[in-house]
Amino acid sequence: TQLLEQSPQFLSIQEGENLTVYCNSSSVFSSLQWYRQEPGEGPVLLVTVVTGGEVKKLKRLTFQFGDARKDSSLHITAAQPGDTGLYLCAGARGAQKLVFGQGTRLTINP
Amino acid sequence: NAGVTQTPKFQVLKTGQSMTLQCAQDMNHEYMSWYRQDPGMGLRLIHYSVGAGITDQGEVPNGYNVSRSTTEDFPLRLLSAAPSQTSVYFCASSYGGVETQYFGPGTRLLVL
Repeated sequence: TQLLEQSPQFLSIQEGENLTVYCNSSSVFSSLQWYRQEPGEGPVLLVTVVTGGEVKKLKRLTFQFGDARKDSSLHITAAQPGDTGLYLCAGARGAQKLVFGQGTRLTINP
Repeated sequence: NAGVTQTPKFQVLKTGQSMTLQCAQDMNHEYMSWYRQDPGMGLRLIHYSVGAGITDQGEVPNGYNVSRSTTEDFPLRLLSAAPSQTSVYFCASSYGGVETQYFGPGTRLLVL
């Protein structure tokens, strides 16, 4: 049983389109992180959201933490080929354990 | 700073063999962890350590041992490799916990 469900698992869109990736759980997390992973490399942290309802922006990427701290979303505006990669959400269970979603493999076609 | 380094990058084992995956960091981080990544499963926590001499189990610890004799190193030992342990293994570190973890490049392990 996956504690964090990401959707969609695969997404292929054209350059310039917008997209949203969802990360859902029935559990409450103390914080939620979003990572991006390139082939053959380890994940790299993009953002951490801590407060329910929090919204953070990173250039064309907007991250939101649900009010109840059980879910999160990643929205990309005007996607570019450089956004291609595996996006992972991860929920913190206290300070010492992180639970990851299955990942969303995003492909942006020129 | 080299960050988090892992060796080897790739390893092939036969069922029943043992081996140690090495992980080192030069950032003086107290917290270190090991994950495995399998297709469609995301990353799953194997073991973690909050400082030298202290280790604890994560989500999938069976078949793996760890020790933390120094702040810098956190090796992962496979006692008797099984095909189910075929995976990509990532080591990560951070100052105090799961916030802002830095991941290594991974070790790809194939158990035949």
